[in-house]
Amino acid sequence: AQTVTQSQPEMSVQEAETVTLSCTYDTSESDYYLFWYKQPPSRQMILVIRQEAYKQQNATENRFSVNFQKAAKSFSLKISDSQLGDAAMYFCAYRSAFVGGATNKLIFGTGTLLAVQP
Amino acid sequence: GAVVSQHPSRVICKSGTSVKIECRSLDFQATTMFWYRQFPKQSLMLMATSNEGSKATYEQGVEKDKFLINHASLTLSTLTVTSAHPEDSSFYICSALDLDYGYTFGSGTRLTVV
Repeated sequence: AQTVTQSQPEMSVQEAETVTLSCTYDTSESDYYLFWYKQPPSRQMILVIRQEAYKQQNATENRFSVNFQKAAKSFSLKISDSQLGDAAMYFCAYRSAFVGGATNKLIFGTGTLLAVQP
Repeated sequence: GAVVSQHPSRVICKSGTSVKIECRSLDFQATTMFWYRQFPKQSLMLMATSNEGSKATYEQGVEKDKFLINHASLTLSTLTVTSAHPEDSSFYICSALDLDYGYTFGSGTRLTVV
């Protein structure tokens, strides 16, 4: 079974600085998707970024980028120019690329609570 | 973009009563809906996966007779917590899967059983 591990329960960053959140996963599949979700105090889950395993190029979305190391099964999130609004719980998630049934489910890590200091 | 409307956002019920939580996909058809439970400062725990018109698939350890899931249409899925007890108090979140939009999450329901 696939597992997702986030080894940093809490992180803190100064406003305008850069922070990297770690995520590792375990799978025997060769094709899959990886995600980073943000959950602010409102508890609404928001997609931050998504990476397809067959793509070697790291995904980027404005200030958010990932470092995807497939061989190492690592998928870290870098937040540049941190803003107060980035403070939230961040979850790494995995999904099999196979379509149908229970394989569509997201497997979440335990989360990293990010604090942004003014 | 895709929106999933989840209601109610908060509910307080007496122990022994049942509570129904609804999730509607407003502008797309959700062939698959996921139901999660989340404790404070913890991750989302998948409870069950439901596909329109078929029985839900429950995760190991989740009581299917206690957490009834109905996915009768492509835009509506419901979770009913039957005979609720204080230990069922939690935050419940639904998520709809659309192949074009990906996963869209509801805003969650905070259930308090007193």
